[in-house]
Amino acid sequence: SSELTQDPAVSVALGQTVRITCQGDSLRNYYASWYQQKPGQAPILVIYSKNNRPSGIPDRFSGSSSENTASLTITGAQAEDEADYYCNSRDRSGNHHWVFGGGTKLTVL
Amino acid sequence: QVQLQESGPGLVKPSQTLTLTCTVSGGSISSRNYYWSWIRQPAGKGLEWIGRIYTTGSTNYNPSLRSRVTISEDTSKNQFSLRLSSVTAADTAVYYCARLTYYYESFDYWGQGILVTVSS
Repeated sequence: SSELTQDPAVSVALGQTVRITCQGDSLRNYYASWYQQKPGQAPILVIYSKNNRPSGIPDRFSGSSSENTASLTITGAQAEDEADYYCNSRDRSGNHHWVFGGGTKLTVL
Repeated sequence: QVQLQESGPGLVKPSQTLTLTCTVSGGSISSRNYYWSWIRQPAGKGLEWIGRIYTTGSTNYNPSLRSRVTISEDTSKNQFSLRLSSVTAADTAVYYCARLTYYYESFDYWGQGILVTVSS
């Protein structure tokens, strides 16, 4: 099992807001990054350093963090947001090792 | 625009060594602002970080794979490589190379991935 825990699946109605969470001890000390992966494609970075968006990522994507939990929020989910989402951070040792959450399958209804 | 491209054999026999190369364009692997990493994903499963190399040549590996993994770099070709020894069917996966930012520690650029199947 992963050091970062995500719900396997989440659904949201089109246009509504959804929060995807990631829990882990390392998140008390390190920020999470979030990645979107669509079938057959490489992951793309959507949030880094808790709540920063790379160029080209829509502003409906946002991040937050509290204690051992990081969250990715999509405000006004669109059909094209249907994908797998992964969080990542350093592992709990604090060494230069990185881990990913198990991923959350987001379905937009 | 930074681009990463994985290359190598798509089929490796059990017990042999898997070797992949990542060619980077649009940026230098000698930059002190980035680490260069390998990540893999078995079919239908999640992402697993394998290891990373820094411009100084220093490496770090996933503890679960450390005994079998070597990551190296060729700065003259702007490439870095992965060697995974004694492979089994459990090593069958899509392998990605990715750039890891030094400051924010996020994987900001990824290759398209290469499927490696371990089978006799």
